[in-house]
Amino acid sequence: DTGVSQDPRHKITKRGQNVTFRCDPISEHNRLYWYRQTLGQGPEFLTYFQNEAQLEKSRLLSDRFSAERPKGSFSTLEIQRTEQGDSAMYLCASSLPPVYGYTFGSGTRLTVV
Amino acid sequence: GENVEQHPSTLSVQEGDSAVIKCTYSDSASNYFPWYKQELGKRPQLIIDIRSNVGEKKDQRIAVTLNKTAKHFSLHITETQPEDSAVYFCAAKGDDKIIFGKGTRLHILP
Repeated sequence: DTGVSQDPRHKITKRGQNVTFRCDPISEHNRLYWYRQTLGQGPEFLTYFQNEAQLEKSRLLSDRFSAERPKGSFSTLEIQRTEQGDSAMYLCASSLPPVYGYTFGSGTRLTVV
Repeated sequence: GENVEQHPSTLSVQEGDSAVIKCTYSDSASNYFPWYKQELGKRPQLIIDIRSNVGEKKDQRIAVTLNKTAKHFSLHITETQPEDSAVYFCAAKGDDKIIFGKGTRLHILP
């Protein structure tokens, strides 16, 4: 286990299409976070899971966005009916409390054309 | 919820000089303050962190200070080197999630 893995690394999609991203956290980490980062900005919190339970969702996460972590291991983030404003880097991170810090994945860069 | 302000947004320093980045936070319950470095096209990497029961922490050329009363924390990089050029993010952990500042782009000038 070398860290947090995200797939795909890049995704180009047409406006209106649905996309799904996958995150595989560090295996013993029970917390998993999704962030979105646009150019020149810091990562913005979207949602997080403790095991399979989704504990918090940001107001940024419109009803077109859904995230799951069905078995408490990997997670998926789906965006339905993509818009150009969804173009961003989607970052996944994991942690194991009481360790405070996150380990980030390399991200999935989404471009909506 | 937590709000983190960071400045400056861009900082240029001569190689060998020191760089200071300052942040403020809003939630007095925040108890963990990490700093991340992000190079172009790469993931954010944790470089140093500090907890609320500590006022200062140092790791080689990098130090962080925390003033809980004023809700200020700062990153200090001494003897800057070309490889220090990157975007630096401060962050604060309120509730169970980390909230990031908007970042400081640090340029090290030859």
